[in-house]
Amino acid sequence: QVQLVQSGAEVKKPGASVKVSCKVSGYTLTELSMHWVRQAPGKGLEWMGGFDPEDGETIYAQKFQGRVTMTEDTSTDTAYMELSSLRSEDTAVYYCATDLTTVGGWDYWGQGTLVTVSS
Amino acid sequence: EIVLTQSPGTLSLSPGERATLSCRASQSVSSSYLAWYQQKPGQAPRLLIYGASSRATGIPDRFSGSGSGTDFTLTISRLEPEDFAVYYCQQYGSSTFTFGPGTKVDIK
Repeated sequence: QVQLVQSGAEVKKPGASVKVSCKVSGYTLTELSMHWVRQAPGKGLEWMGGFDPEDGETIYAQKFQGRVTMTEDTSTDTAYMELSSLRSEDTAVYYCATDLTTVGGWDYWGQGTLVTVSS
Repeated sequence: EIVLTQSPGTLSLSPGERATLSCRASQSVSSSYLAWYQQKPGQAPRLLIYGASSRATGIPDRFSGSGSGTDFTLTISRLEPEDFAVYYCQQYGSSTFTFGPGTKVDIK
């Protein structure tokens, strides 16, 4: 079983950056392909990016290119998502998600991290 | 980018009824990469179906997925009280994942 535990809620001012962590247990990060999804209040799910095992690279949704960076610390099995130049529209719950065998669908999700952007 | 459209936006049904949810893609999607999720308020999404028709671990057999190409369907054969939620389809193609806008299944 994979468990994903995310960092706590954040409040940021417009223009700032936020870095959300996702700690993996049960497996090592190198065995997984981690993705990040966000959900604005009352809205749908939006994929931000993640690890593509076919290319061995992190891929980002075009919307976030240049503003998001996803990294991994394999020594602590922790994945990170950093979003910069925050604006009010970035207020959302941010989730990490991954799969073991359900290729194309993520069967393990973190609990979510609420990021609020407000002046 | 492939755009997913879900219909209806809201489905009002009673427990015990059959629910049929549609997901249509703007271009052909590989069936291997079409998934369905259920989400309840305040919770993370839960994977129901992957590969268009394979049930994820622990998902009851009243949930089934079908379809290919641009048209996919999630069917809940007999709604249980815990099935009232929002359902999203998701696809992967050309190094991009996209979600549909969701269908809310609520109690009639």
